[in-house]
Amino acid sequence: DAGVIQSPRHEVTEMGQEVTLRCKPISGHNSLFWYRQTMMRGLELLIYFNNNVPIDDSGMPEDRFSAKMPNASFSTLKIQPSEPRDSAVYFCASTTTGSYEQYFGPGTRLTVT
Amino acid sequence: DQQVKQNSPSLSVQEGRISILNCDYTNSMFDYFLWYKKYPAEGPTFLISISSIKDKNEDGRFTVFLNKSAKHLSLHIVPSQPGDSAVYFCAAREGGSEKLVFGKGTKLTVNP
Repeated sequence: DAGVIQSPRHEVTEMGQEVTLRCKPISGHNSLFWYRQTMMRGLELLIYFNNNVPIDDSGMPEDRFSAKMPNASFSTLKIQPSEPRDSAVYFCASTTTGSYEQYFGPGTRLTVT
Repeated sequence: DQQVKQNSPSLSVQEGRISILNCDYTNSMFDYFLWYKKYPAEGPTFLISISSIKDKNEDGRFTVFLNKSAKHLSLHIVPSQPGDSAVYFCAAREGGSEKLVFGKGTKLTVNP
């Protein structure tokens, strides 16, 4: 059974460009989480959805970041415009409501030059 | 303000010996604690968990201990194997929420 799928695995872009990260959760999971990992801040939650509805976006750093979940099998995290300080590894994770165990994708390594 | 802290960025042990990874937390509302393991270029994977109403949970070579009065938990790996070399994250869930709060991780190296 496929796990959480993220694309692209690596993204290199120039400052000011728009970046879109994609995630496909595990089939049957109804909660989806976006995390960012940096050396300074570790693994921090950006936003999470339950049944495609954003529940908590308090971790989204600023208005340049937006996330959508148009259906149960797809979510995007968009950064517009991107800045060098956005360089990090972005993880998507999914789970079922009430479960504490989250399943992570392999991550997208974003480099903004 | 970090609610979950892993104060040791790295730990090195010999194969066959015990590895002890530590984690401290500040939020008394956390009801579940988890350990995740992460290899390079992969996402974190769930390893073991413990409910706040217990003080110990064991799964094979892995045991997690919880000391609620000290707001401290630890992961013991016995015996340690080179394949255990990875970054270990401590995480906590607040009761009634689906959010997990992660520590910054401890890089474990098990030397053959």
